[in-house]
Amino acid sequence: SQELEQSPQSLIVQEGKNLTINCTSSKTLYGLYWYKQKYGEGLIFLMMLQKGGEEKSHEKITAKLDEKKQQSSLHITASQPSHAGIYLCGADMGGYQKVTFGTGTKLQVIP
Amino acid sequence: GAVVSQHPSRVICKSGTSVKIECRSLDFQATTMFWYRQFPKQSLMLMATSNEGSKATYEQGVEKDKFLINHASLTLSTLTVTSAHPEDSSFYICSASPDRVMGYTFGSGTRLTVV
Repeated sequence: SQELEQSPQSLIVQEGKNLTINCTSSKTLYGLYWYKQKYGEGLIFLMMLQKGGEEKSHEKITAKLDEKKQQSSLHITASQPSHAGIYLCGADMGGYQKVTFGTGTKLQVIP
Repeated sequence: GAVVSQHPSRVICKSGTSVKIECRSLDFQATTMFWYRQFPKQSLMLMATSNEGSKATYEQGVEKDKFLINHASLTLSTLTVTSAHPEDSSFYICSASPDRVMGYTFGSGTRLTVV
Protein backbone atom coordinates (compact mmCIF):
# COMPACT_ATOMS: atom_id res chain seq x y z
CA SER A 1 0.00 0.00 0.00
CA GLN A 2 1.03 3.55 -0.61
CA GLU A 3 2.57 5.46 2.27
CA LEU A 4 1.10 8.68 0.95
CA GLU A 5 -2.38 8.60 -0.49
CA GLN A 6 -3.84 11.50 -2.36
CA SER A 7 -7.49 12.12 -3.05
CA PRO A 8 -9.08 12.57 -5.40
CA GLN A 9 -6.97 10.90 -8.09
CA SER A 10 -8.36 13.24 -10.69
CA LEU A 11 -10.50 16.32 -10.64
CA ILE A 12 -12.29 18.32 -13.29
CA VAL A 13 -13.61 21.71 -12.23
CA GLN A 14 -15.05 24.72 -13.97
CA GLU A 15 -12.98 27.87 -14.00
CA GLY A 16 -13.69 29.99 -10.98
CA LYS A 17 -14.59 27.11 -8.69
CA ASN A 18 -12.74 26.23 -5.51
CA LEU A 19 -11.22 22.82 -4.94
CA THR A 20 -9.38 20.80 -2.33
CA ILE A 21 -6.83 18.02 -2.67
CA ASN A 22 -5.95 15.83 0.30
CA CYS A 23 -2.79 13.97 1.16
CA THR A 24 -2.88 11.36 3.90
CA SER A 25 0.15 9.64 5.36
CA SER A 26 0.40 6.23 6.96
CA LYS A 27 3.41 7.35 8.96
CA THR A 28 4.56 10.32 11.00
CA LEU A 29 5.40 13.29 8.86
CA TYR A 30 8.64 15.19 9.32
CA GLY A 31 7.84 17.67 6.62
CA LEU A 32 5.22 17.89 3.90
CA TYR A 33 5.80 19.37 0.45
CA TRP A 34 3.43 20.26 -2.31
CA TYR A 35 4.54 20.30 -5.93
CA LYS A 36 2.89 20.88 -9.26
CA GLN A 37 3.93 19.02 -12.37
CA LYS A 38 2.94 18.95 -15.97
CA TYR A 39 3.49 15.34 -16.96
CA GLY A 40 6.91 14.74 -18.45
CA GLU A 41 8.27 17.98 -17.06
CA GLY A 42 10.02 18.99 -13.90
CA LEU A 43 8.32 19.72 -10.63
CA ILE A 44 7.44 23.18 -9.45
CA PHE A 45 7.81 23.67 -5.72
CA LEU A 46 4.67 25.20 -4.23
CA MET A 47 5.23 25.15 -0.49
CA MET A 48 6.54 23.24 2.46
CA LEU A 49 4.82 22.66 5.78
CA GLN A 50 6.73 21.57 8.82
CA LYS A 51 4.65 22.09 11.89
CA GLY A 52 1.27 20.79 12.89
CA GLY A 53 -1.39 23.37 12.26
CA GLU A 54 0.85 25.28 9.88
CA GLU A 55 -0.87 26.98 6.99
CA LYS A 56 0.79 28.66 4.03
CA SER A 57 -0.53 30.50 1.03
CA HIS A 58 0.87 31.34 -2.35
CA GLU A 59 -1.31 33.38 -4.66
CA LYS A 60 -4.59 31.46 -4.73
CA ILE A 61 -3.23 28.25 -3.28
CA THR A 62 -3.38 27.46 0.45
CA ALA A 63 -2.01 24.39 2.16
CA LYS A 64 -2.50 23.18 5.70
CA LEU A 65 -0.86 20.46 7.75
CA ASP A 66 -2.73 18.48 10.36
CA GLU A 67 0.09 16.65 12.05
CA LYS A 68 -2.12 14.61 14.37
CA LYS A 69 -4.16 13.33 11.48
CA GLN A 70 -1.01 12.93 9.41
CA GLN A 71 -2.79 14.76 6.67
CA SER A 72 -2.38 17.83 4.53
CA SER A 73 -4.83 19.62 2.29
CA LEU A 74 -4.24 21.89 -0.67
CA HIS A 75 -6.96 24.36 -1.47
CA ILE A 76 -7.23 26.38 -4.66
CA THR A 77 -9.54 29.35 -4.69
CA ALA A 78 -11.20 30.60 -7.88
CA SER A 79 -9.40 28.08 -10.10
CA GLN A 80 -7.97 29.10 -13.46
CA PRO A 81 -6.84 27.07 -16.47
CA SER A 82 -3.26 27.82 -15.45
CA HIS A 83 -3.84 25.72 -12.32
CA ALA A 84 -4.25 22.60 -14.42
CA GLY A 85 -1.63 19.92 -13.93
CA ILE A 86 -0.64 17.14 -11.59
CA TYR A 87 -0.36 17.97 -7.94
CA LEU A 88 1.96 15.87 -5.86
CA CYS A 89 2.45 15.85 -2.15
CA GLY A 90 5.77 14.67 -0.86
CA ALA A 91 6.93 13.90 2.62
CA ASP A 92 10.09 13.25 4.51
CA MET A 93 8.83 10.16 6.27
CA GLY A 94 11.94 8.85 7.85
CA GLY A 95 13.79 11.97 8.79
CA TYR A 96 16.52 11.07 6.32
CA GLN A 97 15.83 13.91 3.92
CA LYS A 98 14.47 11.75 1.15
CA VAL A 99 11.07 12.59 -0.15
CA THR A 100 8.37 10.00 -0.72
CA PHE A 101 5.67 11.11 -3.13
CA GLY A 102 1.95 10.70 -3.02
CA THR A 103 -0.08 9.08 -5.73
CA GLY A 104 -0.79 12.39 -7.42
CA THR A 105 -3.93 14.30 -8.34
CA LYS A 106 -4.60 15.31 -11.91
CA LEU A 107 -6.47 18.60 -12.12
CA GLN A 108 -8.26 19.89 -15.18
CA VAL A 109 -9.86 23.31 -15.20
CA ILE A 110 -12.49 23.89 -17.84
CA PRO A 111 -12.79 27.48 -19.10
CA GLY B 1 18.26 30.61 -6.07
CA ALA B 2 18.45 26.81 -5.63
CA VAL B 3 18.52 25.73 -9.25
CA VAL B 4 19.04 22.13 -10.31
CA SER B 5 19.98 21.51 -13.90
CA GLN B 6 19.44 18.14 -15.54
CA HIS B 7 20.83 17.05 -18.89
CA PRO B 8 19.86 15.78 -21.38
CA SER B 9 16.14 16.52 -21.40
CA ARG B 10 15.47 13.80 -23.95
CA VAL B 11 17.51 10.87 -25.17
CA ILE B 12 16.83 8.00 -27.50
CA CYS B 13 19.23 5.08 -27.44
CA LYS B 14 19.50 1.63 -28.88
CA SER B 15 18.89 -1.43 -26.78
CA GLY B 16 22.09 -2.64 -25.14
CA THR B 17 23.80 0.74 -24.97
CA SER B 18 24.40 2.87 -21.89
CA VAL B 19 23.08 6.34 -21.23
CA LYS B 20 24.38 8.91 -18.75
CA ILE B 21 22.16 11.55 -17.19
CA GLU B 22 23.68 14.50 -15.34
CA CYS B 23 22.23 16.42 -12.44
CA ARG B 24 23.91 19.66 -11.35
CA SER B 25 23.19 22.03 -8.53
CA LEU B 26 23.99 25.41 -10.04
CA ASP B 27 24.06 27.79 -7.11
CA PHE B 28 24.48 25.59 -4.07
CA GLN B 29 26.41 22.58 -2.92
CA ALA B 30 24.57 19.32 -2.52
CA THR B 31 26.13 16.51 -0.53
CA THR B 32 23.00 14.52 -1.24
CA MET B 33 20.96 14.25 -4.42
CA PHE B 34 18.00 12.04 -5.18
CA TRP B 35 17.06 10.18 -8.33
CA TYR B 36 13.45 9.42 -9.17
CA ARG B 37 11.72 7.53 -11.91
CA GLN B 38 8.24 8.22 -13.19
CA PHE B 39 6.15 5.87 -15.28
CA PRO B 40 3.34 7.24 -17.44
CA LYS B 41 0.45 8.57 -15.38
CA GLN B 42 2.09 7.51 -12.14
CA SER B 43 3.78 9.30 -9.31
CA LEU B 44 7.51 9.61 -8.80
CA MET B 45 9.31 6.66 -7.30
CA LEU B 46 12.57 7.20 -5.47
CA MET B 47 15.31 5.08 -6.99
CA ALA B 48 18.35 6.02 -5.00
CA THR B 49 20.06 8.58 -2.83
CA SER B 50 23.32 9.85 -4.22
CA ASN B 51 25.95 10.72 -1.61
CA GLU B 52 28.96 12.85 -2.44
CA GLY B 53 32.15 10.92 -1.97
CA SER B 54 30.51 7.65 -1.04
CA LYS B 55 28.30 4.92 -2.41
CA ALA B 56 24.74 5.61 -3.36
CA THR B 57 21.90 4.15 -1.34
CA TYR B 58 19.42 2.28 -3.50
CA GLU B 59 15.77 1.67 -2.76
CA GLN B 60 14.47 -1.85 -2.58
CA GLY B 61 13.99 -3.39 -5.98
CA VAL B 62 16.34 -1.04 -7.81
CA GLU B 63 19.23 -2.80 -9.50
CA LYS B 64 22.54 -1.23 -8.51
CA ASP B 65 24.38 -2.64 -11.51
CA LYS B 66 21.73 -1.40 -13.90
CA PHE B 67 21.53 2.13 -12.55
CA LEU B 68 25.02 3.35 -11.70
CA ILE B 69 25.21 6.50 -9.66
CA ASN B 70 28.29 8.64 -9.24
CA HIS B 71 28.43 11.73 -7.05
CA ALA B 72 31.98 12.88 -7.57
CA SER B 73 31.60 16.50 -6.58
CA LEU B 74 29.36 18.67 -4.44
CA THR B 75 27.51 19.93 -7.50
CA LEU B 76 27.25 16.94 -9.80
CA SER B 77 25.58 13.55 -9.65
CA THR B 78 25.27 11.24 -12.63
CA LEU B 79 22.94 8.35 -13.29
CA THR B 80 24.06 5.83 -15.91
CA VAL B 81 21.52 3.38 -17.24
CA THR B 82 23.66 0.46 -18.34
CA SER B 83 22.76 -1.99 -21.07
CA ALA B 84 19.47 -0.23 -21.54
CA HIS B 85 16.37 -2.14 -22.56
CA PRO B 86 12.97 -0.89 -23.71
CA GLU B 87 11.54 -1.46 -20.21
CA ASP B 88 14.01 1.15 -18.93
CA SER B 89 12.24 3.77 -20.99
CA SER B 90 10.88 6.27 -18.52
CA PHE B 91 11.09 9.77 -17.16
CA TYR B 92 14.01 10.23 -14.78
CA ILE B 93 14.27 13.24 -12.51
CA CYS B 94 16.74 14.34 -9.88
CA SER B 95 16.42 16.61 -6.90
CA ALA B 96 18.51 18.30 -4.26
CA SER B 97 18.04 20.74 -1.45
CA PRO B 98 20.33 23.51 -0.19
CA ASP B 99 18.71 23.16 3.20
CA ARG B 100 15.44 21.95 4.70
CA VAL B 101 14.01 25.42 4.94
CA MET B 102 14.14 25.89 1.18
CA GLY B 103 12.69 22.52 0.36
CA TYR B 104 13.70 20.34 -2.54
CA THR B 105 14.40 21.60 -6.03
CA PHE B 106 13.92 19.29 -8.96
CA GLY B 107 15.64 19.11 -12.28
CA SER B 108 13.55 19.38 -15.42
CA GLY B 109 13.77 15.63 -15.98
CA THR B 110 15.09 13.34 -18.69
CA ARG B 111 12.83 11.37 -20.97
CA LEU B 112 14.66 8.18 -21.94
CA THR B 113 13.42 6.09 -24.82
CA VAL B 114 15.15 2.81 -25.55
CA VAL B 115 14.48 1.39 -29.00
